[in-house]
Amino acid sequence: DVKVTQSSRYLVKRTGEKVFLECVQDMDHENMFWYRQDPGLGLRLIYFSYDVKMKEKGDIPEGYSVSREKKERFSLILESASTNQTSMYLCASSSWSGSYEQYFGPGTRLTVT
Amino acid sequence: QKEVEQDPGPLSVPEGAIVSLNCTYSNSAFQYFMWYRQYSRKGPELLMYTYSSGNKEDGRFTAQVDKSSKYISLFIRDSQPSDSATYLCAADSGAGSYQLTFGKGTKLSVIP
Repeated sequence: DVKVTQSSRYLVKRTGEKVFLECVQDMDHENMFWYRQDPGLGLRLIYFSYDVKMKEKGDIPEGYSVSREKKERFSLILESASTNQTSMYLCASSSWSGSYEQYFGPGTRLTVT
Repeated sequence: QKEVEQDPGPLSVPEGAIVSLNCTYSNSAFQYFMWYRQYSRKGPELLMYTYSSGNKEDGRFTAQVDKSSKYISLFIRDSQPSDSATYLCAADSGAGSYQLTFGKGTKLSVIP
């Protein structure tokens, strides 16, 4: 079974703090994704990566950056957390091998106060 | 215009009912279609995956794609309280993009 893990289930941070969210997958997938999920807005893609050290902006990259130094690990960084970044953050991974389905981690519920 | 539209519900049915969940899409380039189930406060879990038009069955679940009408359906037979969750449909063009386009999800409650 594909396993995608995220570093924290719940996180509380203060406005202005730098926040790191980590994601690790164990299926040797090439592609990794970061989404945020908010009520009424659905899943929105922040960034994705299709290879080590490669990254592409998604629909809402402002205020975020990412790092992928190893194939299995994809980090999301909130440079200076703001209250409007309070959300559920979901990491996903997928393979290049044709079928495109993505496998999600359990999510990190981030609250910025 | 959103590329994948999904009625958010909520949808409430009695245990044992047949449930029909639906999405429509606008991009005729979509080739791969998925259904995800998401329990409260958890990540989405891949439920079904189909390529192009047709049906796919897995136990009590049937996924159906009609590309002529751009319609995606998920049927749940003999629904159980454990099926209570939010169901997300998703599609991908298959044209070299690794991204998925998601519907916003339909919240389903199965009442014992």
